[in-house]
Amino acid sequence: DAGVIQSPRHEVTEMGQEVTLRCKPISGHDYLFWYRQTMMRGLELLIYFNNNVPIDDSGMPEDRFSAKMPNASFSTLKIQPSEPRDSAVYFCASSLAPVYDTIYEQYFGPGTRLTVT
Amino acid sequence: ELKVEQNPLFLSMQEGKNYTIYCNYSTTSDRLYWYRQDPGKSLESLFVLLSNGAVKQEGRLMASLDTKARLSTLHITAAVHDLSATYFCAVDNYGGSQGNLIFGKGTKLSVKP
Repeated sequence: DAGVIQSPRHEVTEMGQEVTLRCKPISGHDYLFWYRQTMMRGLELLIYFNNNVPIDDSGMPEDRFSAKMPNASFSTLKIQPSEPRDSAVYFCASSLAPVYDTIYEQYFGPGTRLTVT
Repeated sequence: ELKVEQNPLFLSMQEGKNYTIYCNYSTTSDRLYWYRQDPGKSLESLFVLLSNGAVKQEGRLMASLDTKARLSTLHITAAVHDLSATYFCAVDNYGGSQGNLIFGKGTKLSVKP
């Protein structure tokens, strides 16, 4: 398997522009997670999906952020409008469903480094 | 609310020395994960610990889990420069929605010659 795939790997945009980050999870994984990592705040969970349904979006910083998972093999994280404080590395991760005695470690994608100027 | 605390957050050690990173968590869980992150890279899974007393070893790293003490340790033996990275522990958020891991803030390890 190719692992979790994210695109783009790097994104530089101007404040006020819309940014869309994309993720393809590992085939067969039921859960998909979006994280944000910054020096100041560390690794933060933004939202996660189970079988394409958003389960917990309490980590989404504000209404400018939205995430969708239209099917089992694709998810997007959109920021509109973007602001300089959104500059961070955004990781997507996927895992199997939690079943007793099942290892469901999360597998992380390579990340998207977003810079908003 | 499940909290995961790692210490130390920064660790500078010399090659050849031994040291331990600690991961404390605040609620009952019997599954703990350790990840490694190299600078500018993604997170890589190192160990999955599934029960009390579990111990796993890979090269110079050994991880253990004590669910009664709510403590996991990552022991480094005879450190080498290649181990320089940030190490995260993560715990199942059983008290909340299943499938969600709570990560510690990470321990940045620097191994110097």
